[in-house]
Amino acid sequence: GAVVSQHPSRVICKSGTSVKIECRSLDFQATTMFWYRQFPKKSLMLMATSNEGSKATYEQGVEKDKFLINHASLTLSTLTVTSAHPEDSSFYICSARDLGQGAQGAFGPGTRLLVL
Amino acid sequence: GNSVTQMEGPVTLSEEAFLTINCTYTATGYPSLFWYVQYPGEGLQLLLKATKADDKGSNKGFEATYRKETTSFHLEKGSVQVSDSAVYFCALSLPLGAGGTSYGKLTFGQGTILTVHP
Repeated sequence: GAVVSQHPSRVICKSGTSVKIECRSLDFQATTMFWYRQFPKKSLMLMATSNEGSKATYEQGVEKDKFLINHASLTLSTLTVTSAHPEDSSFYICSARDLGQGAQGAFGPGTRLLVL
Repeated sequence: GNSVTQMEGPVTLSEEAFLTINCTYTATGYPSLFWYVQYPGEGLQLLLKATKADDKGSNKGFEATYRKETTSFHLEKGSVQVSDSAVYFCALSLPLGAGGTSYGKLTFGQGTILTVHP
C-alpha cells in the first residue's frame, strides 16, 4: 500500500513554456501533499505543502506565482512551473500523506525537468 | 529552527565492510527520525524510522537508534553489499502536536553518497 505516482517521469521543454507535473496517491486518500525540489548532488528542499481544497503553503524563498500548486482532490496534486527557465531544471519529488500513515507518508518516484 | 546534519560523503567501501553514516539533528520538541535511500535515477524510499527516544529502526540489515541525549540517529550496517550503493538521507519530522501543516513536513540532511565495490 501507500503508492504515489508522478507524471511525467521526465520532461524536456523550451524556455518560456509552462510544465505541469502530476502527483497521485494510488491507493489512499492524501489529505496533505508536499512538493520537494532536489538539485544535483544536493539534498531535498521543501517547496510547498498543499492540503486538499485549500491554498498551498509555500516555503520562504519559493515564488508562488512561479510554482503553481493545486490540490483539487484527495488523490491528485499538480505542480505547474510557469514560464520555465533553465535554472528551473531540477528533480521534483512529491510526497503524499494521510493521517493514518504517520508523519512521513510516501514519496513519488520524481520528475526530472530539463529546460533548454 | 529544525535541522539535520549528516556525515560528509562520499563514502566508499568494499563489499562486506561495516558501514556507519552519522546523523545529528536539532529540533524543537520530539521529532520522528527517518533514513531514506535513493537509488540512481529513482525517488526516495523509506529505509527505516524511529518515533521516540531509544527506539531502534531496522530494515534490510540497516539499523539506527534514536538517541535523545546525543540528538543522533546514526545509520549502521554490519556487512554492506554492492546493491547498497545509493544516496542516504537522514530526515526528521515534527510530531502531530507541533501544529498545522508542520506535521509531516520533512527536514532532510544533505545526503551521503555510498559506493560499495566488489
